[in-house]
Amino acid sequence: EAQVTQNPRYLITVTGKKLTVTCSQNMNHEYMSWYRQDPGLGLRQIYYSMNVEVTDKGDVPEGYKVSRKEKRNFPLILESPSPNQTSLYFCASSWGSGGPREQFFGPGTRLTVL
Amino acid sequence: AQSVTQLDSQVPVFEEAPVELRCNYSSSVSVYLFWYVQYPNQGLQLLLKYLSGSTLVESINGFEAEFNKSQTSFHLRKPSVHISDTAEYFCAVSKSGGYQKVTFGIGTKLQVIP
Repeated sequence: EAQVTQNPRYLITVTGKKLTVTCSQNMNHEYMSWYRQDPGLGLRQIYYSMNVEVTDKGDVPEGYKVSRKEKRNFPLILESPSPNQTSLYFCASSWGSGGPREQFFGPGTRLTVL
Repeated sequence: AQSVTQLDSQVPVFEEAPVELRCNYSSSVSVYLFWYVQYPNQGLQLLLKYLSGSTLVESINGFEAEFNKSQTSFHLRKPSVHISDTAEYFCAVSKSGGYQKVTFGIGTKLQVIP
């Protein structure tokens, strides 16, 4: 089954404790992206990746890191989480060499930073 | 920079009535346009997309959207809504011709009233 998986689905942590949210897709997509969803703000793009070792900032990259060492995986790293990073996070992937045609989303990770 | 405006944060409508969810975008170059739907407590899934060609695009469940370049709009319409259409709808834009950022609107919550 074609899918995007994220782990963990729920996470409660404390300020300053480094964490990683994993994302994996099995569709051989070149493009992958991370978003955060906050009430009243919609989805905002954090980082995106066009292919292995190629990443770029989205609209809200501060406080986040990403890496793309393998085509299927695109982990999101919060090295020193803060309460304002409490949010619902989605990973997505897409095919298309001329821009993301359509994105397939993971189920989401709900993060709470105390 | 590109942007997306969804003017209506909530739209209540009676079952079997028509509905229009508005989306306007700004971009100085050619774009891809998307509508995604998020059912309660779920991730996002693609509803329909405009990449090129016919300006009227349709989904399998009766929604349609028309790309209007002169008005920079991509409004979503359905002639008769069902209870099962209750969800949040997001309009999104990305630039065509190369991997780029994807910008989402803040979303419109469609509430179908029995």
